[in-house]
Amino acid sequence: EVQLVESGGGLVQPGRSLRLSCAASGFTFDDYAMHWVRQAPGKGLEWVSGISWNSGSIGYADSVKGRFTISRDNAKNSLYLQMNSLRAEDTALYYCAKAEFSSGFRFDYWGQGTLVTVSS
Amino acid sequence: SYVLTQPPSVSVAPGQTARITCGGNNIGSKSVHWYQQKPGQAPVLVVYDDSDRPSGIPERFSGSNSGNTATLTISRVEAGDEADYYCQVWDSSSDHPNVVFGGGTKLTVL
Repeated sequence: EVQLVESGGGLVQPGRSLRLSCAASGFTFDDYAMHWVRQAPGKGLEWVSGISWNSGSIGYADSVKGRFTISRDNAKNSLYLQMNSLRAEDTALYYCAKAEFSSGFRFDYWGQGTLVTVSS
Repeated sequence: SYVLTQPPSVSVAPGQTARITCGGNNIGSKSVHWYQQKPGQAPVLVVYDDSDRPSGIPERFSGSNSGNTATLTISRVEAGDEADYYCQVWDSSSDHPNVVFGGGTKLTVL
């Protein structure tokens, strides 16, 4: 059974940093790209970042480019998101998602999310 | 950047057919994926590559995509189908390929 478990969320002041983690199990982690998707309270889904199976290809949404860094450790079956210079508008539930690729990425499994609240 | 437009809400009576649209420039040239999200839960993929269903998703869920509009169709709607639905594409047309979600449609079962 595929499981994705996010952790590392919490309350943080504007301008500070936070590192999210996603522990994966139930599939061959290093065969798949992984992504982060967030959802602000009461709002829709917003793609944040994605990383290929070997970390050779990485992408970011314009809203987080230069502030967030995605990474993975295939030996630990883990995905990470380093978030720096956090802003109030980064407040959201952050989901880790396993990606499948045919003619484009889709997300076939999602974690339950970890909540990040940016507030003074 | 590529934009996907969904109606904010759709209402349908039980047993009827719900159609949720997703508009985008020449979206018919892209693969469209659809997610269902119930309150307090993570999204679930219900249709991928325009019209394919993951295992475990009822045949009542189907999709189509042509021109500037993709459509998620839910036949014989049940109370349990009440949820938010999001379309999604992979936009490889820009210098920086990225994932794009529609704004979401709240399906209300009357």
